Amino acid sequence: DTGVSQDPRHKITKRGQNVTFRCDPISEHNRLYWYRQTLGQGPEFLTYFQNEAQLEKSRLLSDRFSAERPKGSFSTLEIQRTEQGDSAMYLCASSLGGLGTYGYTFGSGTRLTVV
Amino acid sequence: AQKVTQAQTEISVVEKEDVTLDCVYETRDTTYYLFWYKQPPSGELVFLIRRNSFDEQNEISGRYSWNFQKSTSSFNFTITASQVVDSAVYFCALLNNAGNMLTFGGGTRLMVKP
Repeated sequence: DTGVSQDPRHKITKRGQNVTFRCDPISEHNRLYWYRQTLGQGPEFLTYFQNEAQLEKSRLLSDRFSAERPKGSFSTLEIQRTEQGDSAMYLCASSLGGLGTYGYTFGSGTRLTVV
Repeated sequence: AQKVTQAQTEISVVEKEDVTLDCVYETRDTTYYLFWYKQPPSGELVFLIRRNSFDEQNEISGRYSWNFQKSTSSFNFTITASQVVDSAVYFCALLNNAGNMLTFGGGTRLMVKP
């Protein structure tokens, strides 16, 4: 296993369009997290899953944001009716349990540009 | 609420200089974990160190060292004899007791000039 994979790496979309990002975690990791990083800032927590259950979603930025992890493996993050303020790097991470020895393993992120 | 502050937004040094990146945190948890990550231009967050709140021993790994002081809620990171390859953004982060949320500082951009 080569780590956490995110697809696509870059996405340019027009305002008002829907976008979906995919994250494939490390296969034995049961927890999966989504973070957003805007330019010049640190990543901010959005949501996380333990297996297929979404255990925390109050930090999702608005009801336009939703995430799924239907089979407890890969996850998708969807943004509906995108706005220019949604332009950011979306990072996925996975871990084995909550307090893994090496913290979370992050993917390389999906950079979203809304024009 | 948890908070991590990295007061230095940008630091520029000349190669071979030592540099210290500051991190101050706030939490009500009695058990927590602190991390440092490196983010090179490629964007991936690279894990550097994890420290739990009960272990205040300083740690050294090659040119990197970390100073954890619970009394001042600080977890500072020092690079000795900096190299150009150290140029990146460095983030300090705090993991809550439940282990389900990392709170990041705003990052410090380190530029090491040859």
